[in-house]
Amino acid sequence: ETGVTQSPTHLIKTRGQQVTLRCSSQSGHNTVSWYQQALGQGPQFIFQYYREEENGRGNFPPRFSGLQFPNYSSELNVNALELDDSALYLCASSLLGQENYGYTFGSGTRLTVV
Amino acid sequence: LAKTTQPISMDSYEGQEVNITCSHNNIATNDYITWYQQFPSQGPRFIIQGYKTKVTNEVASLFIPADRKSSTLSLPRVSLSDTAVYYCLVGDVYNFNKFYFGSGTKLNVKP
Repeated sequence: ETGVTQSPTHLIKTRGQQVTLRCSSQSGHNTVSWYQQALGQGPQFIFQYYREEENGRGNFPPRFSGLQFPNYSSELNVNALELDDSALYLCASSLLGQENYGYTFGSGTRLTVV
Repeated sequence: LAKTTQPISMDSYEGQEVNITCSHNNIATNDYITWYQQFPSQGPRFIIQGYKTKVTNEVASLFIPADRKSSTLSLPRVSLSDTAVYYCLVGDVYNFNKFYFGSGTKLNVKP
């Protein structure tokens, strides 16, 4: 089975710009969550999607938005980038009802805002 | 969400058993305890999960006392490749849970 894949692996953007990060869930999984991990800190929950709808959101402003597609792939969009948005963005997938087996994380996208 | 408290860092030597304890005083009835391992520039990797007593798999054991206010991840005979950050998470895994990772424990295994 394939794992979670994220693209791109690295990205540099200018403050004020918009960015889209992509995630392909593990085969058979139907939920996807996004996390932001600043350097030296643990991942912080952004939001989770199930059946193409947002289902749970962390303490992030509306300029962080997402999409989940019928094939369970997902996008994270960030508008009006700020310097503090520089971080590793992680995508994690799971199968509803099987979370006791844990979430599968991708290797992340390293976003640098300059 | 139940918050967790872990030591910031731990040192060990190859071949030793390592025990990392996590405190979660506000754990709720439906909450499970899950541990993840993370290497630099990689996503966290699921290690083990439990609700009470003891759980063992091929890589680790998880000990949970009766009051469930703490848990201990046990790594038998660590190697240099076990050097990583270990996160303890507490939450209701069957309720669209959003896990709170905290800052984790940096385990440094020395030769």
